[in-house]
Amino acid sequence: DSGVTQTPKHLITATGQRVTLRCSPRSGDLSVYWYQQSLDQGLQFLIQYYNGEERAKGNILERFSAQQFPDLHSELNLSSLELGDSALYFCASSVGLAEGSPLHFGNGTRLTVT
Amino acid sequence: GQNIDQPTEMTATEGAIVQINCTYQTSGFNGLFWYQQHAGEAPTFLSYNVLDGLEEKGRFSSFLSRSKGYSYLLLKELQMKDSASYLCAVLTDKLIFGTGTRLQVFP
Repeated sequence: DSGVTQTPKHLITATGQRVTLRCSPRSGDLSVYWYQQSLDQGLQFLIQYYNGEERAKGNILERFSAQQFPDLHSELNLSSLELGDSALYFCASSVGLAEGSPLHFGNGTRLTVT
Repeated sequence: GQNIDQPTEMTATEGAIVQINCTYQTSGFNGLFWYQQHAGEAPTFLSYNVLDGLEEKGRFSSFLSRSKGYSYLLLKELQMKDSASYLCAVLTDKLIFGTGTRLQVFP
């Protein structure tokens, strides 16, 4: 158990809808990261937050947004969903920005868009 | 641009040694990580290299050459449970993952 909690585990929704994925980082971790993993593809970096502030952005679509709250949990919002958004969405956390601080991943939310 | 290359698939026999290579071309370098991921599960941290050389941790070792943009993960005394994907990831201003190497270990 990595200590990173993601909810829900599974989500099935229709095209055009909006969903919110939630992540609670490990106790003491200030950084939260979101990754998307489509079938047979690598982990695609979406966005990183550190102590409530956005720190780095990847190829995150404009339909997607995220935030980190004062209690350090994070939410990833996906709107106007398309079939291609079906994927496993991972949240990870780390102690901070220090080099070598490994990311610890949650078990992911499997999103299916029908 | 950012480019991280790994072989797509590898096979090996239980008890053997396997080396998984990773080459990278990135803008910036602050270290290289290796992760293990079983199908449908979360990636788990294996190793971190920031300086050139070999880091050993039990049956797993990882090597880095910054001048060559090259790393490898060495797995010794392979076990069936080592069948998984192995992900190479480079830390720039963000952690960028390669597409992973799927390793199958046969009895």
